[in-house]
Formats: sequence, C-alpha cells, structure tokens
Amino acid sequence: AQSVTQLDSHVSVSEGTPVLLRCNYSSSYSPSLFWYVQHPNKGLQLLLKYTSAATLVKGINGFEAEFKKSETSFHLTKPSAHMSDAAEYFCVVSPNSGYSTLTFGKGTMLLVSP
Amino acid sequence: DADVTQTPRNRITKTGKRIMLECSQTKGHDRMYWYRQDPGLGLRLIYYSFDVKDINKGEISDGYSVSRQAQAKFSLSLESAIPNQTALYFCATSDLGRDQSNEQFFGPGTRLTVL
Repeated sequence: AQSVTQLDSHVSVSEGTPVLLRCNYSSSYSPSLFWYVQHPNKGLQLLLKYTSAATLVKGINGFEAEFKKSETSFHLTKPSAHMSDAAEYFCVVSPNSGYSTLTFGKGTMLLVSP
Repeated sequence: DADVTQTPRNRITKTGKRIMLECSQTKGHDRMYWYRQDPGLGLRLIYYSFDVKDINKGEISDGYSVSRQAQAKFSLSLESAIPNQTALYFCATSDLGRDQSNEQFFGPGTRLTVL
C-alpha cells in the first residue's frame, strides 16, 4: 500500500522569497515520486520525478526536490518565487513495480504576493 | 496538437441522465486512466486499463463504467448521473518506459456539472 501526505493545504510567499512545499510518503516498494503542478483552469503538468537515481532532482522552472529515504520525504523547493508559480501542487507516489498506479496527495495551493 | 484530448471540455447535465466522457491519445501508450478531482481531495482513480483487453476498478468506481475501444480510446460513462458526481475529470496515459516510473500524461480535463 502507498500513501502521500502533503503537510500544508496552503502556502503563502512573497515574490522573490524561497518556496518550500512539504510531502511525506509511504510505500511498500522502492517508490517513484513526482511533483505535478496545476495552474488555474488547466490540466496537470509534470514538474519533476524521482526514480531511484540521484536523490536531488531538478525540474522545470527552477524547482527541485530531494528524496530522503530515512525521513520518507520528498519536499519541493525553489530559491525565489515568481508570480507565475501561483498554482496547486500535487505530490504523487508510485511503487516501482510493473503493474502499479499513482497515489496523489491532496494538494498544496501556493499563493504568491507581490 | 495535444497528445491527450478529452471531449467534451464542459458539460452540464441533469440527475438521472446517462453521460459519456471520451478520451483519445496519440502518444501510443498502452495504459490509460480516469480520475476525478474534487477541491481539497486531490485526484482519485476511477478506472484504469493496462491494455485493450484489461479493465480495472480504481478507488472510486461505484456509479461509473468504462470502455476501452482501442489502444488510443478510453471512455468513461455515468449510467445515471447524480449531483455528487459533479467534478473535474481527467484522463491520463502512461507507458512503463525504461525508468519503470509509470509517469503519466494528462488531458486538459472535463468539467462536469450534474444538476
């Protein structure tokens, strides 16, 4: 069984300040982990993914995430927020087995103020 | 052109009506999925199909059915729509790929309102 907990339903930052979106997971297998972003009235876009290679994963638009097995965490960070980063972010887990599905967290809404 | 398309994009219907949502993909992927999104709940899996002859129930399949007409087409039906099926519905596709990650690619969504 697998599950994902996104620790904050909303995060507010000022433009130019760092972003931290927190995610903890559980998985019976060595997992793949993803962050997806959903801008208002849009579909889901992959930001980055971890697949048991490097533990620090770089994604699009300056985002990165670090896989920490001992803490079962996969937090998403960005050094400097931009207004265009305002969106909902989903942490997602999938066990690395052939016939597996994704389990989504409930989402974190990122609000960016000028 | 979009790789994963959904029709219709918006639909308003009445309680008790049958409705079908359609998904098509040009990615050549074997695996297809239907999710619903509700505010504060993330995405929840309704049905999924790993190939044309395979159909599996997801977390919340009650009240829904699916048809995999071809590798590229996967339809979701609500036999008798009810108001709590009002939601945003997403289709997704994947192929296991070399990294075994099951990364999924999403359509633009269908906003369904049941009155």
